[in-house]
Amino acid sequence: AQSVAQPEDQVNVAEGNPLTVKCTYSVSGNPYLFWYVQYPNRGLQFLLKYITGDNLVKGSYGFEAEFNKSQTSFHLKKPSALVSDSALYFCAVRALSGNTGKLIFGQGTTLQVKP
Amino acid sequence: DAGVTQSPTHLIKTRGQQVTLRCSPKSGHDTVSWYQQALGQGPQFIFQYYEEEERQRGNFPDRFSGHQFPNYSSELNVNALLLGDSALYLCASSLYFGQRINRYNEQFFGPGTRLTVL
Repeated sequence: AQSVAQPEDQVNVAEGNPLTVKCTYSVSGNPYLFWYVQYPNRGLQFLLKYITGDNLVKGSYGFEAEFNKSQTSFHLKKPSALVSDSALYFCAVRALSGNTGKLIFGQGTTLQVKP
Repeated sequence: DAGVTQSPTHLIKTRGQQVTLRCSPKSGHDTVSWYQQALGQGPQFIFQYYEEEERQRGNFPDRFSGHQFPNYSSELNVNALLLGDSALYLCASSLYFGQRINRYNEQFFGPGTRLTVL
């Protein structure tokens, strides 16, 4: 069965410092991986995706993610955190069964960026 | 270009009642998926509609049903509400993933409907 794990419930970072939000996955075959962000009282906003190719994926708002097949990880990163990056972040993998593009989400990681 | 819209924003119901949630997909999209996000959890897939048919269903009971209209908008219906149905219900739209050209597209999510069951 496919699954995604986000081992940290919360990540605290000082503004201007680099941030990393961790994600590991379990799939058979090639993974299609996504990161979404959720602000309070808002839906999910797409940040970036890994389908194939370059292991470093660049996305919206200065975020990037590093795909590591040997470690089955897809960590979200940003070189310099902003207070406005504080939000709930979800990693997801696309289910392989069916043709629906169904997403399987992790539990989410709250990012707190302090001034 | 309007994104995904959902109504209502908030809803309060009592146990045993029935509820209908509505979703309009992003312009140009033909597929709608519904997810349930319980407090402190990641979203869970309920089902997906394409061409007015349910294409795949997650691990949800028959109390959860849906519909898609010819204009691609969709409804989620929940009957015999339970306290455990309290959650944020998210609608996501996309182009149909069954067509190879769309296979790697992302889904676009609406703001959600917050359902509280008392």
